[in-house]
Amino acid sequence: QVQLQESGPGLVKPSETLSLTCAVSGYSISSGYYWGWIRQPPGKGLEWIGSIYHSGSTYYNPSLKSRVTISVDTSKNQFSLKLSSVTAADTAVYYCAKVRDLDGAPDAFDIWGQGTMVTVSS
Amino acid sequence: SYVLTQPPSVSVAPGQTARITCGGNNIGSKSVHWYQQKPGQAPVLVVYDDSDRPSGIPERFSGSNSGNTATLTISRVEAGDEADYYCQVWDSSSDHSYVFGTGTKVTVL
Repeated sequence: QVQLQESGPGLVKPSETLSLTCAVSGYSISSGYYWGWIRQPPGKGLEWIGSIYHSGSTYYNPSLKSRVTISVDTSKNQFSLKLSSVTAADTAVYYCAKVRDLDGAPDAFDIWGQGTMVTVSS
Repeated sequence: SYVLTQPPSVSVAPGQTARITCGGNNIGSKSVHWYQQKPGQAPVLVVYDDSDRPSGIPERFSGSNSGNTATLTISRVEAGDEADYYCQVWDSSSDHSYVFGTGTKVTVL
């Protein structure tokens, strides 16, 4: 059974870089699937941040693309998110998730991590 | 960019049917996925590819998609169905991005 677990600092200062990691268990990332990051500001809706394939191929939300980097570490079976120049508007619960289609086609997010709250504040 | 519009709220009595719409330009040409999110929890996929259900999701959850509107239908609503629901598509236009709907709060009266 595939499980995802986010980790990283819960507090980031404005203008700094937010860094999160998603550890995957129950499946080897190098075997396939796209993996993604989604966030949810307090009391608001879901926003897709970006996705990465096991090969390293990425898609990013155009509105965040200039600040986002998603990478994969198959040796540690995890993938990571970096969001630079953060502001209070980046305060949110950040989720990592697995895309349903094995071969990399765009699809639903069928497995989600529990989410981690990140607050941007000095 | 592609926009998905949902009603902010839907209220339904137990045992009745709830219908949640998701509007988007020619959404009928896209695959629509639906998520249920209860307070303090991660979203759960309840319908994918317009009308398919993941393993473990009750048959009471069904979906349809045509023209400019996709619909999630919850039959025989139970108190445990009270949650936020989000639709989602892949926008294959110039943006190449996943898009989520604005979300609908379902209240069981």
